[in-house]
Amino acid sequence: EPEVTQTPSHQVTQMGQEVILRCVPISNHLYFYWYRQILGQKVEFLVSFYNNEISEKSEIFDDQFSVERPDGSNFTLKIRSTKLEDSAMYFCASRGLIASDTQYFGPGTRLTVL
Amino acid sequence: AQKVTQAQTEISVVEKEDVTLDCVYETRDTTYYLFWYKQPPSGELVFLIRRNSFDEQNEISGRYSWNFQKSTSSFNFTITASQVVDSAVYFCALSEGGAGANSKLTFGKGITLSVRP
Repeated sequence: EPEVTQTPSHQVTQMGQEVILRCVPISNHLYFYWYRQILGQKVEFLVSFYNNEISEKSEIFDDQFSVERPDGSNFTLKIRSTKLEDSAMYFCASRGLIASDTQYFGPGTRLTVL
Repeated sequence: AQKVTQAQTEISVVEKEDVTLDCVYETRDTTYYLFWYKQPPSGELVFLIRRNSFDEQNEISGRYSWNFQKSTSSFNFTITASQVVDSAVYFCALSEGGAGANSKLTFGKGITLSVRP
């Protein structure tokens, strides 16, 4: 069964460093998403991506964040200068073309900023 | 704006008890989709069910059942004869549909279910 994969599973970084979180969505999916979950809290939408551009972003997704689909399979989230409050679990998700399609989530990357 | 409220924060039951997890949603759209996801201690988000706004039929899948009521804007989830493996955080989520919709998910705060042997 196809699944969304994410690497790394855990990333530890120093405050101010750049990190890139990687995702491989399900191959025939067209919409891609990043969500964030601070420990013990709810899952929050960050950004959606379709047709090689951002289709929607939340207030959380400020200038420190960027997304890219560098090739036909990967979807990345970059945080340019990490802050302590960026520590969270980051989930990638993908879905097919239709709005009613289910979003399937990757296993997440736990980001720890020291 | 869309909103999902899961008023229960933690529920603890003994194995084999039935348990209902409540979810109330708000949306201005006439077309929307409701979801339940399970987050076990390992942390991943596991899709359980999707319901379309125009389909109010209740659904049963094994020990799981879902009750969707548009009149009360609720989408409740019942686990019958709970098992220890059901221990997890359960999230209700909403996305708004329609042509061209990005369908971002808005999640509730989650309900931590503990099933004791």
